[in-house]
Amino acid sequence: DSGVTQTPKHLITATGQRVTLRCSPRSGDLSVYWYQQSLDQGLQFLIQYYNGEERAKGNILERFSAQQFPDLHSELNLSSLELGDSALYFCASSVAFGPWEKLFFGSGTQLSVL
Amino acid sequence: GQNIDQPTEMTATEGAIVQINCTYQTSGFNGLFWYQQHAGEAPTFLSYNVLDGLEEKGRFSSFLSRSKGYSYLLLKELQMKDSASYLCAPSYNQGGKLIFGQGTELSVKP
Repeated sequence: DSGVTQTPKHLITATGQRVTLRCSPRSGDLSVYWYQQSLDQGLQFLIQYYNGEERAKGNILERFSAQQFPDLHSELNLSSLELGDSALYFCASSVAFGPWEKLFFGSGTQLSVL
Repeated sequence: GQNIDQPTEMTATEGAIVQINCTYQTSGFNGLFWYQQHAGEAPTFLSYNVLDGLEEKGRFSSFLSRSKGYSYLLLKELQMKDSASYLCAPSYNQGGKLIFGQGTELSVKP
């Protein structure tokens, strides 16, 4: 158990809908990262937050947004969902944001868009 | 980008040794992570190299050559449970995001 909690584990929804994925980092970790992993694709970096502030951004679609709250949990919002958004979404956390930071991953949310 | 290059697939026999190579862009490089990911599960940390040379940790070892932009993960005495994807992830001094390679899918056969 990494100590990172993601909910829900599975989500099935329809095209055009909006969903929210939730992540609670390990106790003491200030950084949260979101990754997307589609079938046969590697881990694609979406966005990173540190202590409530956006720190780094990857190829995150405009339909996607995220935030980190004062209690350090984070939410990833996906809207106007398309079939291609079906993927495993991972949250990870680390103590801070240096290049030496080891990431601890949650077990992921499997999103299926039908 | 980080131009991370690692083989897509490898197959090895139980009890054998396998080496998974990774090359990456050296500009601004800080250190290199290896993660293991079983199908449908979360990636888990294996190693982090910042200095040149080989670091051994049980059956797994990781090597780094900073000047060549090259790393490898060495797995000895392979077990069936080692069948997984192995992800190479170089980190850079601008910090923040960690970008992963596509992963090497290792199949261990009896």
